[in-house]
Amino acid sequence: EVQLVESGGGLVQPGGSLKLSCAASGFTFSGSAMHWVRQASGKGLEWVGRIRSKANSYATAYAASVKGRFTISRDDSKNTAYLQMNSLKTEDTAVYYCTRQSGDGFDYWGQGTLVTVSS
Amino acid sequence: SYVLTQPPSVSVAPGQTARITCGGNNIGSKSVHWYQQKPGQAPVLVVYDDSDRPSGIPERFSGSNSGNTATLTISRVEAGDEADYYCQVWDSSSDLWVFGGGTKLTVL
Repeated sequence: EVQLVESGGGLVQPGGSLKLSCAASGFTFSGSAMHWVRQASGKGLEWVGRIRSKANSYATAYAASVKGRFTISRDDSKNTAYLQMNSLKTEDTAVYYCTRQSGDGFDYWGQGTLVTVSS
Repeated sequence: SYVLTQPPSVSVAPGQTARITCGGNNIGSKSVHWYQQKPGQAPVLVVYDDSDRPSGIPERFSGSNSGNTATLTISRVEAGDEADYYCQVWDSSSDLWVFGGGTKLTVL
């Protein structure tokens, strides 16, 4: 059974940093591209970024709203993807989901972790 | 950047057919994926590659994509189908993934 479990969310002050983790199981993590998607309360889904597999040079891509502040990485030995968030703004407050890419879409999602940026 | 446009809401009576549209420039040339999200839950893939269904998704869910509009069709709508629905594509020209704004399906 495929499982994605996010952790690391919490309350952080504006300008602060936070690192989210996504622990994967039930599939060949090393061969999969992984993404982060967020959702502010009462709002729609917003794609945050992606990291490809080692075979694709761990290539990353980011939404314009987070580029230069957020960094996605992965540790295939731990079957875990990460989202390092720096220079956080109040508008980054959201539930953050990790999701597995399948084709051009996303077939499995984690349950999400809440990040609140507030003073 | 590529933009996907969905109606904010669609209402339908039980047993009827709901159609949720997703508009985008020449979206027919892209693969469109649809997600269902119920309150407090993570999104669930219900249609991928325009019209295919993942295992476990009822045949009542179908999709089409042509020209500038993709459509998610839910036949014989049930109360349990009430949810937010999102379309999504990959914009290969920018290597960015895009979601529509979402449509709230209300079952009357």
